[in-house]
Amino acid sequence: NAGVTQTPKFQVLKTGQSMTLQCAQDMNHNSMYWYRQDPGMGLRLIYYSASEGTTDKGEVPNGYNVSRLNKREFSLRLESAAPSQTSVYFCASSRGQGTYNEQFFGPGTRLTVL
Amino acid sequence: AQKITQTQPGMFVQEKEAVTLDCTYDTSDQSYGLFWYKQPSSGEMIFLIYQGSYDEQNATEGRYSLNFQKARKSANLVISASQLGDSAMYFCAMRGEADSSYKLIFGSGTRLLVRP
Repeated sequence: NAGVTQTPKFQVLKTGQSMTLQCAQDMNHNSMYWYRQDPGMGLRLIYYSASEGTTDKGEVPNGYNVSRLNKREFSLRLESAAPSQTSVYFCASSRGQGTYNEQFFGPGTRLTVL
Repeated sequence: AQKITQTQPGMFVQEKEAVTLDCTYDTSDQSYGLFWYKQPSSGEMIFLIYQGSYDEQNATEGRYSLNFQKARKSANLVISASQLGDSAMYFCAMRGEADSSYKLIFGSGTRLLVRP
């Protein structure tokens, strides 16, 4: 039981390059989330998917797109990377959207944009 | 708007002693959940404990307990019998019913260092 997995673990991009961060969960969770964590701060929501087939913007969606490929997989795409997107990216999942459902996090992807 | 405030950027505690990490929150929601996560130096986010706004008793999970004072809007984490492995960043977070995303709102964290 792997929980939430993310690939890659580390990535260095040049400004303007594109890439896709992959996330998968094997807990049969309905909801999935992408957060970013900047130095000295908590996590901020980029996009989320309440259930398969739906996606919505979070607090900081500019410069990103997402795809909920199926119930297991939720990818995050940077179309044209900028230095301001240097961050650690976390994918998370939860059973549903109630206030009581804890979110389980992947190990994170450390992205540097030069 | 919902907000989490953690006023202690860093804390020290002696091994085997108890430590309290402070968390205050602001929300107008009636139903909400409060969470604590641990982030060790390896970077992963580890769920520790949950408290629901309607729960009358304080949550406990092993050495972790949550001191929930609803009127004061505080949700402090108490770690008993600290261990060296408890050295990490600790984040307080909440989810409110009024936010359709049910996203977690995080505080800025407290770095705990356990001294041998």
